[in-house]
Amino acid sequence: AQKVTQAQTEISVVEKEDVTLDCVYETRDTTYYLFWYKQPPSGELVFLIRRNSFDEQNEISGRYSWNFQKSTSSFNFTITASQVVDSAVYFCALSEAYGNNDMRFGAGTRLTVKP
Amino acid sequence: DTAVSQTPKYLVTQMGNDKSIKCEQNLGHDTMYWYKQDSKKFLKIMFSYNNKELIINETVPNRFSPKSPDKAHLNLHINSLELGDSAVYFCASSQERSRYGYEQYFGPGTRLTVT
Repeated sequence: AQKVTQAQTEISVVEKEDVTLDCVYETRDTTYYLFWYKQPPSGELVFLIRRNSFDEQNEISGRYSWNFQKSTSSFNFTITASQVVDSAVYFCALSEAYGNNDMRFGAGTRLTVKP
Repeated sequence: DTAVSQTPKYLVTQMGNDKSIKCEQNLGHDTMYWYKQDSKKFLKIMFSYNNKELIINETVPNRFSPKSPDKAHLNLHINSLELGDSAVYFCASSQERSRYGYEQYFGPGTRLTVT
């Protein structure tokens, strides 16, 4: 069974601090996909990134970066120089190529960035 | 242009009533989903439809039934509403099933309150 753990329930930082959101997953499949979504206070779910199990290259998009490490089954998300607009709930999700569940979400991490 | 839309945005109703939530996507995607997000923000997949076939049916009560008149629509019907059905319901779509690596795009959500 697939499982996604986001151990940090809530994180609070001050603007301009860097913050890392942790995501640890469990799967028996060798082919799987990892995702991050953002849910701002307005409520919509916004897709941020997808990574497949064969691509361990880290990715950077502006102030956002993702670190995928198969050895530790982690797919962590770092926001550099955080801003108030980054305040949201962030979800990590997993899809297994041979699983029944199309996507299983972690419990989410609520990030609050204070001015 | 809205990619995935849901109506209504808010739905307040009494226990025992029957209600429907509509979802439409204009992305040309083949797969659509319904999720329930509870008060703790936990996202749970309820149904997914691929080319008008139900492919996942998580352990949801049979009072909930998805109906897909065509590839662009997936409506959610709920019979005999209960207090525990109060939640935010999200519709989503993806080009193909997420098990093949396709990200999902979410609608704005429908906040259902059962009194």
